[in-house]
Amino acid sequence: GIQVEQSPPDLILQEGANSTLRCNFSDSVNNLQWFHQNPWGQLINLFYIPSGTKQNGRLSATTVATERYSLLYISSSQTTDSGVYFCAVESGGTSYGKLTFGQGTILTVHP
Amino acid sequence: DSGVTQTPKHLITATGQRVTLRCSPRSGDLSVYWYQQSLDQGLQFLIQYYNGEERAKGNILERFSAQQFPDLHSELNLSSLELGDSALYFCASSADRRVTDTQYFGPGTRLTVL
Repeated sequence: GIQVEQSPPDLILQEGANSTLRCNFSDSVNNLQWFHQNPWGQLINLFYIPSGTKQNGRLSATTVATERYSLLYISSSQTTDSGVYFCAVESGGTSYGKLTFGQGTILTVHP
Repeated sequence: DSGVTQTPKHLITATGQRVTLRCSPRSGDLSVYWYQQSLDQGLQFLIQYYNGEERAKGNILERFSAQQFPDLHSELNLSSLELGDSALYFCASSADRRVTDTQYFGPGTRLTVL
């Protein structure tokens, strides 16, 4: 099946810093989503972005499908941004509907 | 709030027991998905239903089963529980299986098997 690798595994920032999280995937995808898992365990949708660029406030994401990677940008980070960021992909065919998750990036933002 | 609801939020039970987790999808969504999040396996897809029919299966154990009812809510049944079944179980829903669509996740049910 499709492989999803996220980097870095851990990231520690001071409040106000910017960061870039990367997601590499091993096959073409029909669906790519970024999630934030907060300290209470809830998975919050950030972006549905199988290709192109989207922005939502301080967050933006870019997926270059032909090169099989996606980037999540966090600007002016806040302590509430702490948590685990997951990239998940769906590769279609027999994998239709199945999201395959990366291992996540653990982000810690210090005040 | 994603619009997907799951009950109960927490469940503590003993090995060998059987439990049922319940999920209500977002209004109008026809597809329901179940995922398991454990420390050693990460987040894994278990099973998908669309409008009452099973559509895709992932790494779901034979001790586990699911169904989707006519009102579109879904239940995940876990039986002969083992310590290793302790995990966070998520339900997700999306609008239409015919096109790729955003999956929205519920708050999860945290299962602890003692």
